[in-house]
Amino acid sequence: GNSVTQMEGPVTLSEEAFLTINCTYTATGYPSLFWYVQYPGEGLQLLLKATKADDKGSNKGFEATYRKETTSFHLEKGSVQVSDSAVYFCAPCRSGAGSYQLTFGKGTKLSVIP
Amino acid sequence: KAGVTQTPRYLIKTRGQQVTLSCSPISGHRSVSWYQQTPGQGLQFLFEYFSETQRNKGNFPGRFSGRQFSNSRSEMNVSTLELGDSALYLCASSLFPATGELFFGEGSRLTVL
Repeated sequence: GNSVTQMEGPVTLSEEAFLTINCTYTATGYPSLFWYVQYPGEGLQLLLKATKADDKGSNKGFEATYRKETTSFHLEKGSVQVSDSAVYFCAPCRSGAGSYQLTFGKGTKLSVIP
Repeated sequence: KAGVTQTPRYLIKTRGQQVTLSCSPISGHRSVSWYQQTPGQGLQFLFEYFSETQRNKGNFPGRFSGRQFSNSRSEMNVSTLELGDSALYLCASSLFPATGELFFGEGSRLTVL
């Protein structure tokens, strides 16, 4: 089955700082890769995705590139804002034969201070 | 378009009781999944339903059960509650679950005393 290792949090950054949250995974085959975000008091939302090697997912200034060689999908943002404070989850998804397996990492809590 | 709706949002139960949580998916979504979220274990998959059939099940004891109705609404039930069942229970619906794109509700926070 899939497994995923995320950078341990919490991460505290000042506004406009550069963000990297590391994510590596193990999976059979080539899963699709996702980052989900959970804002305080809410459920998870899809942030971005990549479905094949070398694809770059992007949304709201966040980016992540599907690195098959290193089985990684690190999340980056050039300039974080206070509103980016949330918990971020990396999730590989393996699918086939009418079923799928989406495995979430433990989550990395990001706090951005003004 | 209405999002995923979970009820109740908060509830408190005592050990040994049972609880039923409800989830209304986004209109047109036939897949509903349930997850348990705790600070220690993170997000753990409970089960997934599609067209009233359970397709996948996580590694949880038989006290955890679910069902899906013909209108795609889903319920999950936990019987004989234990303190360790205290968690945020998240429901997610999907149009094409094999894509991994899930839409989550805000969750039902269960506290077991």
